[in-house]
Amino acid sequence: DAGVTQSPTHLIKTRGQQVTLRCSPKSGHDTVSWYQQALGQGPQFIFQYYEEEERQRGNFPDRFSGHQFPNYSSELNVNALLLGDSALYLCASSQWGQNYEQYFGPGTRLTVT
Amino acid sequence: ELKVEQNPLFLSMQEGKNYTIYCNYSTTSDRLYWYRQDPGKSLESLFVLLSNGAVKQEGRLMASLDTKARLSTLHITAAVHDLSATYFCAVVFGLVNDMRFGAGTRLTVKP
Repeated sequence: DAGVTQSPTHLIKTRGQQVTLRCSPKSGHDTVSWYQQALGQGPQFIFQYYEEEERQRGNFPDRFSGHQFPNYSSELNVNALLLGDSALYLCASSQWGQNYEQYFGPGTRLTVT
Repeated sequence: ELKVEQNPLFLSMQEGKNYTIYCNYSTTSDRLYWYRQDPGKSLESLFVLLSNGAVKQEGRLMASLDTKARLSTLHITAAVHDLSATYFCAVVFGLVNDMRFGAGTRLTVKP
């Protein structure tokens, strides 16, 4: 049973560029949440997708956008990258309405130079 | 304001000793989670606590939840080196699935 997978593992971008990160949820899960974890800090909630719609959003600017596909996989897009966007981006999957137990993917390490 | 506070933030323990990590949160919630994170790795789910008085144990770790006090504890018994990691508590507030994490407790267990 495959767990949550994310790609790419590492990414280096330049300020002002755009980036797309990808996530495939654990088998049987239909909900995907994205988190940003800066070095030495706890993860911060970006947004959550269920049934291809954004259901909840944290305190992140519109430069952060997402999408969920019919197969439940998801993308996180960040436009106009800033140095402060450098972080580990974690994807978590869960089953809607099931006590919200989330399983986290390995993360994508984004470095903005 | 929704806040989740952990203490201590750094903890250095001798093997064989006991210690407790505390997690306080600011607003009513009945869903609290504990995660472990090793350096450069993702988050591993340890415990899910869903009701007042819930207590769960796995090996040398035991977690409890007091929703009235808005407090959860993670107790470590007879620590071993393999427990060295960063431990996060996380709380889901209200009806929306907005999960807030504490800053984490970086635990180092020394021989």
